[in-house]
Amino acid sequence: AQSVTQPDIHITVSEGASLELRCNYSYGATPYLFWYVQSPGQGLQLLLKYFSGDTLVQGIKGFEAEFKRSQSSFNLRKPSVHWSDAAEYFCAVGGSYIPTFGRGTSLIVHP
Amino acid sequence: DTGVSQDPRHKITKRGQNVTFRCDPISEHNRLYWYRQTLGQGPEFLTYFQNEAQLEKSRLLSDRFSAERPKGSFSTLEIQRTEQGDSAMYLCASSTSVGAVTEAFFGQGTRLTVV
Repeated sequence: AQSVTQPDIHITVSEGASLELRCNYSYGATPYLFWYVQSPGQGLQLLLKYFSGDTLVQGIKGFEAEFKRSQSSFNLRKPSVHWSDAAEYFCAVGGSYIPTFGRGTSLIVHP
Repeated sequence: DTGVSQDPRHKITKRGQNVTFRCDPISEHNRLYWYRQTLGQGPEFLTYFQNEAQLEKSRLLSDRFSAERPKGSFSTLEIQRTEQGDSAMYLCASSTSVGAVTEAFFGQGTRLTVV
């Protein structure tokens, strides 16, 4: 069975600081990995995805993520956070046709 | 294309009543998913359609829940005899089957409150 662990429930950063959100997955074969962002009361928007190839993937809004097979991780990074990045972030794995989501990390941005 | 559309956006109902939600996927997408999300949690899978066929249902989906996609386009999710524990955001997503896996595109959700 596939699963995702996001170990940090909340992350607080100052505006302009760098950000890393952690994601660990469990899947028996080559995983398909996603990061989504959710603003309050809204649906989920895809930030980036990894299917194969280059393990460093670029996404929208200046986000990137690195796939590390040896660590079963797919951490999300951003070099400089903006106040508008405050939201809930979800990592998902989709080796079958059905994506499985982590519980999410809430990002709080201080001015 | 306007993306995945869900209706209504909000629903308040009394315990014991039936409710029905509608999802209109992106037009060329043949896969459709329903998820449920409670406060502070990630989306939990409920059920999945490929075209009109319901191919998988989660054990979370009790017999009070039923979903349909009669013509392989829009889908409905009905909850009968609602309970307070059904209060949640119900999310619909769609994707294509071109390639092994593609990303799911989500609607804005229907927030259900059972009072």
